Amino acid sequence: GAVVSQHPSWVICKSGTSVKIECRSLDFQATTMFWYRQFPKQSLMLMATSNEGSKATYEQGVEKDKFLINHASLTLSTLTVTSAHPEDSSFYICSARDIRSTDTQYFGPGTRLTVL
Amino acid sequence: QKEVEQNSGPLSVPEGAIASLNCTYSDRGSQSFFWYRQYSGKSPELIMFIYSNGDKEDGRFTAQLNKASQYVSLLIRDSQPSDSATYLCAVHLSGGYNKLIFGAGTRLAVHP
Repeated sequence: GAVVSQHPSWVICKSGTSVKIECRSLDFQATTMFWYRQFPKQSLMLMATSNEGSKATYEQGVEKDKFLINHASLTLSTLTVTSAHPEDSSFYICSARDIRSTDTQYFGPGTRLTVL
Repeated sequence: QKEVEQNSGPLSVPEGAIASLNCTYSDRGSQSFFWYRQYSGKSPELIMFIYSNGDKEDGRFTAQLNKASQYVSLLIRDSQPSDSATYLCAVHLSGGYNKLIFGAGTRLAVHP
């Protein structure tokens, strides 16, 4: 149980294009999903908290117009990196919190983004 | 600034030994604590969570929590080379903040 999927698992795009990453909870409902970014040999950095049916909450320093988040259902959240640049190349990981649980987060397998 | 501190390691232990991973946190009101394992190039995988002071055992893993000392640890018994990974300590913030704060992780190397 508590399986979270992400799609795509990796993507390569040209600078200036937009990339959409999907995060799905497969066997549970998640009112809250989280988006993290991790650069090589660094720890997880929370980018934003995605709430079903409402606007996402962004961490300080994260541009909400660049990283668009939509949480349209209890099992799906999407992150769109708009006008991607090489410095946006990173490992993007989502997590989901089971609606029945208090605080436990289950992570998706991550999406490796490379911007050329 | 709420923080979670971990020794970055690497912590090197021989196969079959007990690995002890430690974590301290600054948010005195935190009530939920988590240990995740992350293999290189992969996403974190939940190992255990603990809410109450004392020990919690799950197979070869034991989590220990001391809220008074703001300290949480993870013991891995009979360490195996497959346990070699980075272990992340995470603390759920108090005060209505709906998020986990992660430590930088401790890299564990189990050698045959």
